[in-house]
Amino acid sequence: DSGVTQTPKHLITATGQRVTLRCSPRSGDLSVYWYQQSLDQGLQFLIQYYNGEERAKGNILERFSAQQFPDLHSELNLSSLELGDSALYFCASSGTGATFGGYTFGSGTRLTVV
Amino acid sequence: GENVEQHPSTLSVQEGDSAVIKCTYSDSASNYFPWYKQELGKRPQLIIDIRSNVGEKKDQRIAVTLNKTAKHFSLHITETQPEDSAVYFCAANQGGKLIFGQGTELSVKP
Repeated sequence: DSGVTQTPKHLITATGQRVTLRCSPRSGDLSVYWYQQSLDQGLQFLIQYYNGEERAKGNILERFSAQQFPDLHSELNLSSLELGDSALYFCASSGTGATFGGYTFGSGTRLTVV
Repeated sequence: GENVEQHPSTLSVQEGDSAVIKCTYSDSASNYFPWYKQELGKRPQLIIDIRSNVGEKKDQRIAVTLNKTAKHFSLHITETQPEDSAVYFCAANQGGKLIFGQGTELSVKP
């Protein structure tokens, strides 16, 4: 157990639908990151939150949005789903401070759009 | 922004041989370079990292080297074992986030 909790582990839904992925960071970590990993693809950065505020945005579609709540858990909302959105979605968290020390990843949510 | 290129995309070695994976980065401000191992269907896990004030770091059979001038860093695995088979990702930091390479699928044949 990495300490980063993602739910659900698997999600199957139809095109056009909306889903919410949830992530609880490791205790003490203030930063949460979302990545998308499609089949045979690398880890594409979507968005970063730090202590409730959006810190950085990557190639995140307008149909996707995220937020981080006061208890530091984060949710990634995917709407108007398309077949191409099928992927593994990872959340990661990291500590803070002057020296960045890399991420701890959750186990991911496998989204299948049919 | 930061761009990280990783080569090769696939690598097949015999058990006991060495494996080398190379990455280049574009942002000279990057100062942290981790390597992650991802087994099939599982989460990426940090296996080793290096900061820009160090040229080489070793941890048992794994080593990473960094050439800041050329903006490239490499992962070296010696005495490979079948359990080393996985996808390996390099990354470089851009501010407080990581930008990943495309991954290298390493296959170690017994």
